[in-house]
Amino acid sequence: ETGVTQSPTHLIKTRGQQVTLRCSSQSGHNTVSWYQQALGQGPQFIFQYYREEENGRGNFPPRFSGLQFPNYSSELNVNALELDDSALYLCASSLGGTGPALILFGQGTRLTVV
Amino acid sequence: QKEVEQDPGPLSVPEGAIVSLNCTYSNSAFQYFMWYRQYSRKGPELLMYTYSSGNKEDGRFTAQVDKSSKYISLFIRDSQPSDSATYLCAIHNTGNQFYFGTGTSLTVIP
Repeated sequence: ETGVTQSPTHLIKTRGQQVTLRCSSQSGHNTVSWYQQALGQGPQFIFQYYREEENGRGNFPPRFSGLQFPNYSSELNVNALELDDSALYLCASSLGGTGPALILFGQGTRLTVV
Repeated sequence: QKEVEQDPGPLSVPEGAIVSLNCTYSNSAFQYFMWYRQYSRKGPELLMYTYSSGNKEDGRFTAQVDKSSKYISLFIRDSQPSDSATYLCAIHNTGNQFYFGTGTSLTVIP
């Protein structure tokens, strides 16, 4: 499979609910990062997974959690949704050690919290 | 101080104009300097990257890095309507994350 695929493309949730976003990495990639991009802002690093282990985390609260599976697909879970969680969530995959130029971004999941 | 600061937009230019997009960064240890283009409702796509001071050219695009002043620029020559997008500068450190600028929205008017 070529490219990074995210699902769903968009969804609407109510404040206080929980949400799971999914990412299918580029074939052969073993590293995945998640970013939050609020409207009019640049993407902000949430965390990275390398071979199923968290390998770095940005300034996000624990209610943002993730998983990476043996096939290197990944999930981002957000509990107790807040209005400010409304954003485009981007997944980026790469092969560890190959440098930032080979990192591929998905099209994103647009989450709206009402 | 934020890791990366990007000149705010939006920018609106006529077709054929030269466009200059600029960012500054705070940490002299940063190594990789990237420019991404992001169309509406899409993920960022890598436009250019460099890891040294100086200029790097790719067609109508030139990326410029001045490490002494911690300043990076992207120049677009002969701008086209298809260049209309948001441009994000990004820095990648030796760890595992990008620091992005806030983005500059560019509109090229035919």
